[in-house]
Parts: sequence; C-alpha cells; structure tokens
Amino acid sequence: DAGVIQSPRHEVTEMGQEVTLRCKPISGHNSLFWYRQTMMRGLELLIYFNNNVPIDDSGMPEDRFSAKMPNASFSTLKIQPSEPRDSAVYFCASRTSGGKNIQYFGAGTRLSVL
Amino acid sequence: GDSVTQMEGPVTLSEEAFLTINCTYTATGYPSLFWYVQYPGEGLQLLLKATKADDKGSNKGFEATYRKETTSFHLEKGSVQVSDSAVYFCALSGVTGGGNKLTFGTGTQLKVEL
Repeated sequence: DAGVIQSPRHEVTEMGQEVTLRCKPISGHNSLFWYRQTMMRGLELLIYFNNNVPIDDSGMPEDRFSAKMPNASFSTLKIQPSEPRDSAVYFCASRTSGGKNIQYFGAGTRLSVL
Repeated sequence: GDSVTQMEGPVTLSEEAFLTINCTYTATGYPSLFWYVQYPGEGLQLLLKATKADDKGSNKGFEATYRKETTSFHLEKGSVQVSDSAVYFCALSGVTGGGNKLTFGTGTQLKVEL
C-alpha cells in the first residue's frame, strides 16, 4: 500500500498568491482529514470529509481557506490569497469507516509564504 | 469538550534510560486512546492504542495503560534508543464529532543521546 500521498512536499510562495495542496488517501478509506501544524498552535484539525462530503469545517481559519474532495481518491486544500501567517506544515490523513478510528497520515506539505 | 494534556518537552534521556511521558484526558463517556509518533520530516504514525479501561497498548517496546480512574494514558518504555528520538502525541477519539475526530495533545519531544 502506498499510504497517503501528499504533494508538493515543499511549497514556497509569495504573499497574495494562490496555493493548492493535494492529497490522495489510501484506497478504500472513506474519511479524509486536513490538519495544520505550527510551533505556536500545535496540530489543528481544519476540515474532514466522510464519503467525499465535508462534515466539519469549523477548524478552517477563514474564508481564504477552502477544501474540496471531488472523488474518493483526491482532495485539495486551497489558500487564496496566501499570507505569511499561513506558513506551516499541512497534513492529510485518511481512515476507514467504523473500526477503531486509526488515522493514517501523509508526509505533509511544508508551506512557506514570504 | 474533549481535551488532552501532555507533559511539556523536550525530554532528554541517555540511551537505555527509562521513559515516561505523561498524558491525561478529559472526555465524556469512554473514549479510545492513542499514542502517535512523528519522526523528523515525517507525518504522524500510530504507535499504540487502547479502546477500553484497563487495556494495555504496546508496540516496539512502548506501553501505555488506559486508566479510567485517573483519566490517564501514560507512555512508557523500559530502555530507550537513539532511534526513538521523535515527537510523541497523545490523542483521543470520543463522543465529540461522533467518534470521527481525534483530539491531540500538544506533543512531547524526546531526545535520546548516546
């Protein structure tokens, strides 16, 4: 199994630019989670999907952030326009329904907004 | 709401020393409890879990026991190695979010020296 795949691994952009982060969950998993990790705030859940439907987006910091899951094998997290305070590592995780709620994480995307 | 409290790091130990990382939680009902580990530059990966009171999770020499009476899930290892250097996260899955979400602690960095 290839695991959760995120791209790009690193992204450097300038303030005001649009940024799109991508995630491919593990095949057969039907829940997908986006997290943000910073030194100041630790690991924060931004949004999660069940069966491609957004269930809880209460962690999305503001309207500049949006996430989509057009099908079971792909999700995007978009920031438009980006700001320096968005610099962080963004993780995607997936899991199967039921079971013991074990989430499998991707390697993350390190975003730097200059 | 649900919350997880971990001891602050970094924790610095010599190789072969005994490790304890404290974790306590607040949740309604009977949550499932987890320890995740994050090695440098990687995503989080499940280390061990316990789903009911008095269960002991174990993996790679690490152990943690679900203590309902003290609402704790402390991580222990009898003899640490340099390769155990990482950040360790305690987490729970409870009633909040219908059992779909994980609530993470802030993480404890472990440094093991020769």
